[in-house]
Amino acid sequence: GESVGLHLPTLSVQEGDNSIINCAYSNSASDYFIWYKQESGKGPQFIIDIRSNMDKRQGQRVTVLLNKTVKHLSLQIAATQPGDSAVYFCAENFPKLSFGAGTTVTVRA
Amino acid sequence: GAGVSQSPRYKVAKRGQDVALRCDPISGHVSLFWYQQALGQGPEFLTYFQNEAQLDKSGLPSDRFFAERPEGSVSTLKIQRTQQEDSAVYLCASSLGGPTGPNVLTFGAGSRLTVL
Repeated sequence: GESVGLHLPTLSVQEGDNSIINCAYSNSASDYFIWYKQESGKGPQFIIDIRSNMDKRQGQRVTVLLNKTVKHLSLQIAATQPGDSAVYFCAENFPKLSFGAGTTVTVRA
Repeated sequence: GAGVSQSPRYKVAKRGQDVALRCDPISGHVSLFWYQQALGQGPEFLTYFQNEAQLDKSGLPSDRFFAERPEGSVSTLKIQRTQQEDSAVYLCASSLGGPTGPNVLTFGAGSRLTVL
């Protein structure tokens, strides 16, 4: 069956450094992936998405990389800021979203 | 409205009580989704609607859970005879398009249900 998971449950990053959050998926038929950010007490907030016909997509300070060969997805955040502290989820859309457990990112000042 | 609105934000129920959670999606959004998020976990799909039609309810945990969207806009998630394991945050999301293409779901802040 389908499953989406993140490699590490927590990530501590120095302010100003780049962050990399990883995600593995098992459904090779998945053709759409999404990253969400969730702050305490709030709902998930859309960050960036990517379709399976792409390897890379860039947004503002964020880049998503998709490696279909090893079924791996990553989110890179450039120049991490304190406001980036949150839980990050990757999800597949097929059409309903299937979320992993999330990675908690803590930014150290 | 500007975003997805959910009410109540917090609900405390005694075991066995019925609860109703409301979702006001973004105006014009065709699809509406309900998710359940346990503490420290990712959201789990419950059900979704395209307009007033409930296309998938495979995630509803039991027949105590019921969702409706009678006019294709506001939706209500009802939980009958609540149990302690129903304690969670219930998230509603809406999206502009139908269910077959890529969907960017916009989530509400959620309704936190605590069953005592």
